Amino acid sequence: KAGVTQTPRYLIKTRGQQVTLSCSPISGHRSVSWYQQTPGQGLQFLFEYFSETQRNKGNFPGRFSGRQFSNSRSEMNVSTLELGDSALYLCASSLVSGNTGELFFGEGSRLTVL
Amino acid sequence: AQTVTQSQPEMSVQEAETVTLSCTYDTSESDYYLFWYKQPPSRQMILVIRQEAYKQQNATENRFSVNFQKAAKSFSLKISDSQLGDAAMYFCACLGGGAQKLVFGQGTRLTINP
Repeated sequence: KAGVTQTPRYLIKTRGQQVTLSCSPISGHRSVSWYQQTPGQGLQFLFEYFSETQRNKGNFPGRFSGRQFSNSRSEMNVSTLELGDSALYLCASSLVSGNTGELFFGEGSRLTVL
Repeated sequence: AQTVTQSQPEMSVQEAETVTLSCTYDTSESDYYLFWYKQPPSRQMILVIRQEAYKQQNATENRFSVNFQKAAKSFSLKISDSQLGDAAMYFCACLGGGAQKLVFGQGTRLTINP
């Protein structure tokens, strides 16, 4: 069974640009969550999608958005990039949403903003 | 809302010895889960062990076990017979309140000395 796949693995952008990251969950998983990991702030929850609907959202500005497609693949978008958006963006999938526990993580997309 | 605190930024242990990583948490939820995740240098987050808060029995997974003290809101991870492959960042996390949203601690970097 293939794991969680994130693309691209690495990317470099400049301030003011926008970026789209993609996440393909484990086959059969319907919940996809996104996390931002930085040395200063650690791991922070961005949002969760389940059955194409955003279920939960973290405390990030509106520049951070996402969506989920009917095949459960998810994308997140960051517009008007700032230097502070440089981070490892992790995607996690699970079978269902809610208090069910276990999430499976991808290897992440490393975004550098210059 | 939940908070998770890991007070040990770094730990080291000799190969084959036992090490305990500390974690305290705070939550107002009655139904919640606690996790230890491992993030090796390759970056993919891997679930090490999971504990349902309603279970009194401490979870164990081979060489990994937890000491769950619900009243003290403490959730430590014990690694027995440490192996070189155990070297990684270890994150304690809490999930509760019906939301598929993990709250992570700041992490403990574990070094295994041969």
